[in-house]
Amino acid sequence: SAVISQKPSRDICQRGTSLTIQCQVDSQVTMMFWYRQQPGQSLTLIATANQGSEATYESGFVIDKFPISRPNLTFSTLTVSNMSPEDSSIYLCSVDEGGNEKLFFGSGTQLSVL
Amino acid sequence: SQQGEEDPQALSIQEGENATMNCSYKTSINNLQWYRQNSGRGLVHLILIRSNEREKHSGRLRVTLDTSKKSSSLLITASRAADTASYFCAVVGGSYIPTFGRGTSLIVHP
Repeated sequence: SAVISQKPSRDICQRGTSLTIQCQVDSQVTMMFWYRQQPGQSLTLIATANQGSEATYESGFVIDKFPISRPNLTFSTLTVSNMSPEDSSIYLCSVDEGGNEKLFFGSGTQLSVL
Repeated sequence: SQQGEEDPQALSIQEGENATMNCSYKTSINNLQWYRQNSGRGLVHLILIRSNEREKHSGRLRVTLDTSKKSSSLLITASRAADTASYFCAVVGGSYIPTFGRGTSLIVHP
């Protein structure tokens, strides 16, 4: 099973700033996913990141707000730009290793925006 | 929406008792999965049941799927304090990307 290292584990940020979250996988994977989990809510898919192509964003999420990089098959970053308190959430990266349909998750980034 | 909805939202039981959580969904699925989340951290995959399966077991976990009722249940037998966590169902349809419900918060009292 894939082992995913996600950092930072938590951060407290000021309104208007940006934060970049990193996700490193110990094996090569085709698809990486970024989810947001607001307090007491379900996980909402932000975007799917494939190596060598632009990320595919879900309805309600745009590249200007959540730019994603996927430079190779083991690494991805998600940036939360121009943050507001409404961006306070847990952000999770995940991978579908080998197309076996189950997801492996990083430990999450707890973001608080003041 | 493919999103599953768990019921109950919260469940509190004593150690040794069984815990049952339910998940309902609205459209056809390829498979349904259950995940566990401890203290708002990363999710851990527990079990996957395909649309042509009715029941699966994994250790103390039993999952059932009723596609006619569009529902699934997760049973944890002989619960332990360490089972305290949030449990999410995720439905997988044509996009092959799991869509998660809001979860059931389980507390097991020692």
